[in-house]
Amino acid sequence: TQLLEQSPQFLSIQEGENLTVYCNSSSVFSSLQWYRQEPGEGPVLLVTVVTGGEVKKLKRLTFQFGDARKDSSLHITAAQPGDTGLYLCAGAPGNTPLVFGKGTRLSVIA
Amino acid sequence: GAGVSQSPSNKVTEKGKDVELRCDPISGHTALYWYRQSLGQGLEFLIYFQGNSAPDKSGLPSDRFSAERTGGSVSTLTIQRTQQEDSAVYLCASSLGGGGETQYFGPGTRLLVL
Repeated sequence: TQLLEQSPQFLSIQEGENLTVYCNSSSVFSSLQWYRQEPGEGPVLLVTVVTGGEVKKLKRLTFQFGDARKDSSLHITAAQPGDTGLYLCAGAPGNTPLVFGKGTRLSVIA
Repeated sequence: GAGVSQSPSNKVTEKGKDVELRCDPISGHTALYWYRQSLGQGLEFLIYFQGNSAPDKSGLPSDRFSAERTGGSVSTLTIQRTQQEDSAVYLCASSLGGGGETQYFGPGTRLLVL
């Protein structure tokens, strides 16, 4: 069974601070996706990373895929209250469905 | 609509009753997934349908849970003899194909078993 471990589980920070959340596995994934889920809604895709070492930026969010395609990180610069939500990473093992991590619950306090 | 829809959005039932939850996937998506999300938790995989293949039921927690997908489109998740521990948000997602393709989620059905 391929598992994705996310850390930290919970994070509460003040508006304007920077943060990094991690997604780690002992397995190699062909790609990795990050989703954000806001209260009362379903998860929504933020980004897909495919190549080892790849870095993608989405405004204040920076996503990195590890060189060995086993881990990923999400860095948020100058967090805003609108960034509050559950951040889920999901790995694509190949021809089987995505494997989801348990998520990092972020709270940004104004 | 263009997205995944689920109904009802909220369901309150009494312990021991059966419930049916419905999911309408995005048109043309061949894969459909059901997940359960308990309060403050991540996603728990329940079942996966891909085209005409036999569904992957490996995540169903007990034989009280079943799901079907008719005509390769709409899916119904049925929980028989509901228990209080079944209270959760039930999320449906669809993707264009199977494998590791992007999943598009519905807003979920919030089930409360009293």
